[in-house]
Amino acid sequence: QKEVEQDPGPLSVPEGAIVSLNCTYSNSAFQYFMWYRQYSRKGPELLMYTYSSGNKEDGRFTAQVDKSSKYISLFIRDSQPSDSATYLCAMSAGTGFQKLVFGTGTRLLVSP
Amino acid sequence: DTGVSQNPRHKITKRGQNVTFRCDPISEHNRLYWYRQTLGQGPEFLTYFQNEAQLEKSRLLSDRFSAERPKGSFSTLEIQRTEQGDSAMYLCASSLGGANLQETQYFGPGTRLLVL
Repeated sequence: QKEVEQDPGPLSVPEGAIVSLNCTYSNSAFQYFMWYRQYSRKGPELLMYTYSSGNKEDGRFTAQVDKSSKYISLFIRDSQPSDSATYLCAMSAGTGFQKLVFGTGTRLLVSP
Repeated sequence: DTGVSQNPRHKITKRGQNVTFRCDPISEHNRLYWYRQTLGQGPEFLTYFQNEAQLEKSRLLSDRFSAERPKGSFSTLEIQRTEQGDSAMYLCASSLGGANLQETQYFGPGTRLLVL
């Protein structure tokens, strides 16, 4: 079993929809939780960074972490065609350097 | 452009050849990471440098792989006697380091390797 599980999709939604992306994990030592966006043939770009449990909002993006359930989510409001990309969750135990453990990524397609 | 840069962007080689990739991190960042990403998967950690010291290596980094960061600035990743299974995107990331635990890793565009 992988340390981080993520549905690969693809997830297809119409423009303007609310998108929910999720990951589950098994390592209770993880404290730092990130969401990266990756366009085709590009490197990952950090979207959201959360420490421990709770919510964090940045514009149209909201990240949620529930450590008791080992479950994290990313919500995208008013989705746009430009949001079409692969969304990777990543996490680390965060002591010293941060070795990131990634999910497989969920491919999101937002149609106009 | 002050982001992480990687060269070459693409590399096609024949099985058994050696290849070397270069990563130039963001200038003030003292931590540098290499990851490998295969099709349909998330990046997997390979190795990590704090300045010029290589402090951790994944078991994924076989004896055919070697990474260096000789002056604590740019880094190279060499793969000797390439195999078809080495075909992947090789990603480099850098971070500021220091006492701030909440630090961000910034990724480069990657080097896509195809071994024929």
